[in-house]
Amino acid sequence: NAGVTQTPKFQVLKTGQSMTLQCAQDMNHEYMSWYRQDPGMGLRLIHYSVGAGITDQGEVPNGYNVSRSTTEDFPLRLLSAAPSQTSVYFCASSYKRGAGYGYTFGSGTRLTVV
Amino acid sequence: KQEVTQIPAALSVPEGENLVLNCSFTDSAIYNLQWFRQDPGKGLTSLLLIQSSQREQTSGRLNASLDKSSGRSTLYIAASQPGDSATYLCAGNNNDMRFGAGTRLTVKP
Repeated sequence: NAGVTQTPKFQVLKTGQSMTLQCAQDMNHEYMSWYRQDPGMGLRLIHYSVGAGITDQGEVPNGYNVSRSTTEDFPLRLLSAAPSQTSVYFCASSYKRGAGYGYTFGSGTRLTVV
Repeated sequence: KQEVTQIPAALSVPEGENLVLNCSFTDSAIYNLQWFRQDPGKGLTSLLLIQSSQREQTSGRLNASLDKSSGRSTLYIAASQPGDSATYLCAGNNNDMRFGAGTRLTVKP
């Protein structure tokens, strides 16, 4: 059971470039989410999804786009990368949103925008 | 909006000491509270999940408590070891997880 898989593990982008961070889970979880982690600020929610075809914004959604066409996959798109998006990105999943279920996290993607 | 605070931000103790990490939250209407461990450059590993109806959870040398009325949770680590050195994060779940900034623990041999 692989859990939550994120690719790539590391990425360097130039300002203005676009890219997609991949996230896949094999636990048949309804709920998936993206967080960014910055020094001294903890993890902040970017976007989340409660099922295929349903997404919503979190705390810091600007500059990011998501879609969810299948239960398993929840990619995060950076349309025009900015240095402020340099961060570590984590994907997480849970059986359902809220309702007392714990979260499982991927191993993260470390992104540097120069 | 849920705000989660962890104190202290960093802690250094000698091996063998018992220690307590603190987590406070502003919105008591949480479904659960989860403690994670994060090693440098790595992802988050779940340590303990406490449901809103529970007072504590135990796993080995770890014990986590939850007091919703006061908005507090503690993580107790018994007989600390150098391998316990990591950053410990707590997160309150009100539909979405809100994280504290973490406590960086160093256990010295």
